[in-house]
Amino acid sequence: GAVVSQHPSRVICKSGTSVKIECRSLDFQATTMFWYRQFPKQSLMLMATSNEGSKATYEQGVEKDKFLINHASLTLSTLTVTSAHPEDSSFYICSARDQAGRKSGYTFGSGTRLTVV
Amino acid sequence: AQSVSQHNHHVILSEAASLELGCNYSYGGTVNLFWYVQYPGQHLQLLLKYFSGDPLVKGIKGFEAEFIKSKFSFNLRKPSVQWSDTAEYFCAVNAGSSASKIIFGSGTRLSIRP
Repeated sequence: GAVVSQHPSRVICKSGTSVKIECRSLDFQATTMFWYRQFPKQSLMLMATSNEGSKATYEQGVEKDKFLINHASLTLSTLTVTSAHPEDSSFYICSARDQAGRKSGYTFGSGTRLTVV
Repeated sequence: AQSVSQHNHHVILSEAASLELGCNYSYGGTVNLFWYVQYPGQHLQLLLKYFSGDPLVKGIKGFEAEFIKSKFSFNLRKPSVQWSDTAEYFCAVNAGSSASKIIFGSGTRLSIRP
């Protein structure tokens, strides 16, 4: 089945630094990937839709200058948290759907636990 | 805009009890519906999905869900739960397009007493 790899799984960074999270579709091509954020014991909140070769579409209230998304190829999207602060600490999850036309569900990465100290 | 409501925040059951978790969505057009499960410390896994056809969908681990269009509902059921079903369950919807975003409900925490 479709597999989405997310890296790193955990990262701790100092306040003010930037962190890059990668999301790769391993055995399928994804023109669209999605980035979510999940706070403890809460649901997944969609942050943005990553579009291959074009600008990402951000949800209302998400700062696009803070959460930079790059979707340079059909198998890779990156999320960069710039100038991270402790309130950015969260669980970030990406997802993708096989664009080949098969009626498959969305496949999720295993998530990245970001802790800003 | 589409939205998803899960009315049960936390459900506690004994082993072998029957389960039904409610999910209602709001969207006027064609939808795809999903149930995901998140076991403690693990990532999301797809339980089942509905795209079209038979409104009664069977998923993994004995779960099933019924799409009732007139009620905008997609409730999750399992006739007999096990302790290993303890997890967070998320209902999700997307607007039927291959590129459209998937929106999640707030989740239902299921606790099973051994």
